Amino acid sequence: GESVGLHLPTLSVQEGDNSIINCAYSNSASDYFIWYKQESGKGPQFIIDIRSNMDKRQGQRVTVLLNKTVKHLSLQIAATQPGDSAVYFCAENYSGNTPLVFGKGTRLSVIA
Amino acid sequence: GAGVSQSPSNKVTEKGKDVELRCDPISGHTALYWYRQSLGQGLEFLIYFQGNSAPDKSGLPSDRFSAERTGGSVSTLTIQRTQQEDSAVYLCASSLGRNNQPQHFGDGTRLSIL
Repeated sequence: GESVGLHLPTLSVQEGDNSIINCAYSNSASDYFIWYKQESGKGPQFIIDIRSNMDKRQGQRVTVLLNKTVKHLSLQIAATQPGDSAVYFCAENYSGNTPLVFGKGTRLSVIA
Repeated sequence: GAGVSQSPSNKVTEKGKDVELRCDPISGHTALYWYRQSLGQGLEFLIYFQGNSAPDKSGLPSDRFSAERTGGSVSTLTIQRTQQEDSAVYLCASSLGRNNQPQHFGDGTRLSIL
């Protein structure tokens, strides 16, 4: 989703449910994508990455899906926990060794 | 620690003063990046160092901003004659400098200009 200033899109989920966070990226030439988690007062923390020659990659409780046709990226979190509450950013670049372009971020709020 | 280290964690200064922000990257990381994050916003690229190559300064918002990286390791970001719109969190990241390697971030310096 889009965000303006402080009004980040917010996703609220019940503890134990699965979460899906979506991101539309901008550059069709981008070939490397990363999801970051940012907690209040902290820097972005790497979660998972994916190259453009893949359409799915799984980590521990997380899955990233890439749809290059529509330039869409999603992060799925299984069995969401209160510790997952944070702002999640997608980021893209070309060849992985250039400055990242970040999405606006989505705030995930886990309801215990 | 093994992560990216930034100092100070917080800096409050008066408008018009100069400030220096420091970043210690992860040992062995050849690429170093500075980003800026304004309240509730995403991250905005400022400058990028890769090995001994000339830095990519294309994200610096004005000539009041500059950065150095000495010995291929520690970097300092300097803002001269600070203005209130410079208030933000300044984040540093480093990576191995090879394709498809993630950037790892420090916790940033929160800069407040009075």
